[in-house]
Amino acid sequence: RKEVEQDPGPFNVPEGATVAFNCTYSNSASQSFFWYRQDCRKEPKLLMSVYSSGNEDGRFTAQLNRASQYISLLIRDSKLSDSATYLCVANVFGNEKLTFGTGTRLTIIP
Amino acid sequence: SQTIHQWPATLVQPVGSPLSLECTVEGTSNPNLYWYRQAAGRGLQLLFYSVGIGQISSEVPQNLSASRPQDRQFILSSKKLLLSDSGFYLCAWSLTGTGYSYEQYFGPGTRLTVT
Repeated sequence: RKEVEQDPGPFNVPEGATVAFNCTYSNSASQSFFWYRQDCRKEPKLLMSVYSSGNEDGRFTAQLNRASQYISLLIRDSKLSDSATYLCVANVFGNEKLTFGTGTRLTIIP
Repeated sequence: SQTIHQWPATLVQPVGSPLSLECTVEGTSNPNLYWYRQAAGRGLQLLFYSVGIGQISSEVPQNLSASRPQDRQFILSSKKLLLSDSGFYLCAWSLTGTGYSYEQYFGPGTRLTVT
């Protein structure tokens, strides 16, 4: 079983819709979590950090459920520019290494 | 503010040739440094990381090596490239001593094609 699992998609969503991804992690010692976005043939860029139950930044909301060991990312009022691959990442406290999921591909359709 | 540089942006090399990719970070001291590889359509694979000058941890056995000759410089090398070394090579940095999280910030990457 992978340490961080994501549905690879693709998710094809009409512009303006709300879309949600889930990500599960297997290491219960994981303390902090991140969502990165990666555009085609570009480097991953940090989108959000999640340390407690959740985090909100504009149209983006991340939620953490420690009991069930999953993190979700919600995108409201989706824009064409949201088309990308979204990487879920977990980190164990004090560990310099991050554990990346393989990503969920999102395409926003006009 | 911190910036991370990688070069070259693209590289085409024949099988058996040597490789040297360089990464430098500006605007921070004593960062953790990382080398990843991403094969086409695949996830990120951690190759090496370093928590200080001369300190290198290798994650996967392969024909690659890494060095950190200066605090903010990280070099990825190979003596003889294989076809399987093709991929997107990403350097990343993170702060140290945060005691809580290690958010990583990536450079623009080097796209390597071994022919």
